[in-house]
Amino acid sequence: NAGVTQTPKFQVLKTGQSMTLQCAQDMNHEYMSWYRQDPGMGLRLIHYSVGAGITDQGEVPNGYNVSRSTTEDFPLRLLSAAPSQTSVYFCASRARQGSYEQYFGPGTRLTVT
Amino acid sequence: GNSVTQMEGPVTLSEEAFLTINCTYTATGYPSLFWYVQYPGEGLQLLLKATKADDKGSNKGFEATYRKETTSFHLEKGSVQVSDSAVYFCALSDPDDMRFGAGTRLTVKP
Repeated sequence: NAGVTQTPKFQVLKTGQSMTLQCAQDMNHEYMSWYRQDPGMGLRLIHYSVGAGITDQGEVPNGYNVSRSTTEDFPLRLLSAAPSQTSVYFCASRARQGSYEQYFGPGTRLTVT
Repeated sequence: GNSVTQMEGPVTLSEEAFLTINCTYTATGYPSLFWYVQYPGEGLQLLLKATKADDKGSNKGFEATYRKETTSFHLEKGSVQVSDSAVYFCALSDPDDMRFGAGTRLTVKP
């Protein structure tokens, strides 16, 4: 099991550029989510999905899009990057039953100049 | 809405000192509670969990007890090591709404 994988590990964008952060999991988890981590603010939920074809907004969804065409993949798209989106992004997955433990990817450090 | 509040850091301790990191929560339902740990340059890893009131989660010498009456889930360890230096996050899951505290950075000095 690779668990939760994310690519790229690092990315620098210019303001206005778009890009997609990739996330995949091989644990057959129904629930996947994207967080951003900023100093002193913990993790904030951007978008989440409770299964293929279903997505919903979290706490800070503006400027981001997601889709969930398969159980395994949950890409996060930045439509027009802004300096305020400079952050570390984590993808996570979990089963929808049981103890709700989340498994996190290693993160993507994004800088927008 | 649901939320988690944990003590602000940073916390600096000497090796073998006692550790407490306070965590309190607000939830509309009956959440599961977690402590996650993040080592430098890595993602979050589950440290311990408790799924109902009065449960005690434990792992690697760390413990936390789910206290419904005080809505708390404080993390404790009797004797910290340098290798425990990391950022610790308290979290709740209710169940699709998962919330994290701001994180507490712990540094343990030899």
